[in-house]
Formats: sequence, C-alpha cells, structure tokens
Amino acid sequence: FTLTQPPSVSESPGKTVTISCTRFGGSIASKFVQWFQQRPGAPPTTLIYENDQRPSGVPGRFAGSVDSSSNSASLTISGLRTEDEADYYCQSHDNLIQVFGGGTRLTVL
Amino acid sequence: EVQLEESGGGLVQPGGSLRLSCAASGFTLSSYSMHWARQAPGKGLEWISYINPDSSSINYADSVKGRFSVSRDNAKNSLYLQMNSLRVEDTAVYYCVRDPWLDPWGQGTLVTVSS
Repeated sequence: FTLTQPPSVSESPGKTVTISCTRFGGSIASKFVQWFQQRPGAPPTTLIYENDQRPSGVPGRFAGSVDSSSNSASLTISGLRTEDEADYYCQSHDNLIQVFGGGTRLTVL
Repeated sequence: EVQLEESGGGLVQPGGSLRLSCAASGFTLSSYSMHWARQAPGKGLEWISYINPDSSSINYADSVKGRFSVSRDNAKNSLYLQMNSLRVEDTAVYYCVRDPWLDPWGQGTLVTVSS
C-alpha cells in the first residue's frame, strides 16, 4: 500500500493548517497511523502515535485524526508558529511492512 | 531516558560492504521488535528492515532484499545491519527505531556509496 501526502503547504503564523495522508491499498482504519516532524538538519521526532495520541511534551496544538470515508489521516496544527516550519511524515504498517508518506513541507509565512 | 545510537557509517565504493550498529539504552532491547529506516539526501523517509525480539521474524523492503541482513544481540543491547553489494542509491542516513511507534530516532549514521 502507499500513503500520499501533499508535497507542500503554507500558512501564516497563528492560523491553522491540516496535512492529509491518504492510504491507497487497504483501509486507513485497519492500522494505526503515526506522524513525525523533521526540522532541517535534525532527525524525525514523533508528534502523534496511534492515530491521535500525543507523546508527553508535544503541545496540544498538534492533533491527529482518521477519516474512514476518505481513507485518510490528518494532522492539524493550530496556532501556527515559525518554529513549526518543518517536514511532516505520516506512517503506518501492514504485515510487517512499514510505509511512510512522501512528506509534506510546511512553510509558515 | 530511551535512546538509540547508530554507528558504523562511512564512505564505501559501489559493490562494497558495511556493517551498521545500533546501541540501545534506557530500555530492554529484548522486549521490542526493531526497525531500520533510511533517508537519502534531500529525500523522504524509507523503511528498510524489521526484526522481532527473538529474531524469528525478519522482513525487508524490496529495495534491499537479498543484499542487506538485519541481526541483533539482546545480551549486548545491540542491533545490526549488514549491507552488501552496496549501490550509489543506498547513500543515506540510516536510523534504527523501536517498534511499535518507530520511536525514538537517534542522530543516524551516514552511509555514502561512491567511487
């Protein structure tokens, strides 16, 4: 299966942005989705696990969700800050194979 | 604190071999399945290998199947990736991550395949 993300999104500080992750091949609801943030020059860090759970230390401005009707997962970031400018990756798995989305570059103008 | 530290990267010629190591700390490696993932320069993340706690279940991405081999030594709290028949397109930063949430991520180790 594959996970498709928009290559880029942009929004202004203080606004809300949503990044989609559409599963092709199988149901998005069949396996948990994770989201990772990767700032320039740094390794990825976990933003969301199990579709909508935040690790300790991740602000409530970051929220994950899954929509079976569109077979997609979404990452919503509210109250955008310049420090949110980064690459964002969704990830899920099936039968011992892990799949990452292609990544979305968020620009905070 | 749960940490993973990759090592063993470097410059290697096409067709060569390299062995990566991943040292785990802050948790008991024998309780977890583990993965290797990589990121080519300027590209996205790519999963490449999985190994369960007792090494009885192993899987690879098609891009490395038959060339890469994953192993672990739970007594040493270490994970390994043996990479043979390396290609230019294997150039990437390699990460080891813990199942099930592919977390945490270390700094990775850079493998450069070039003549």
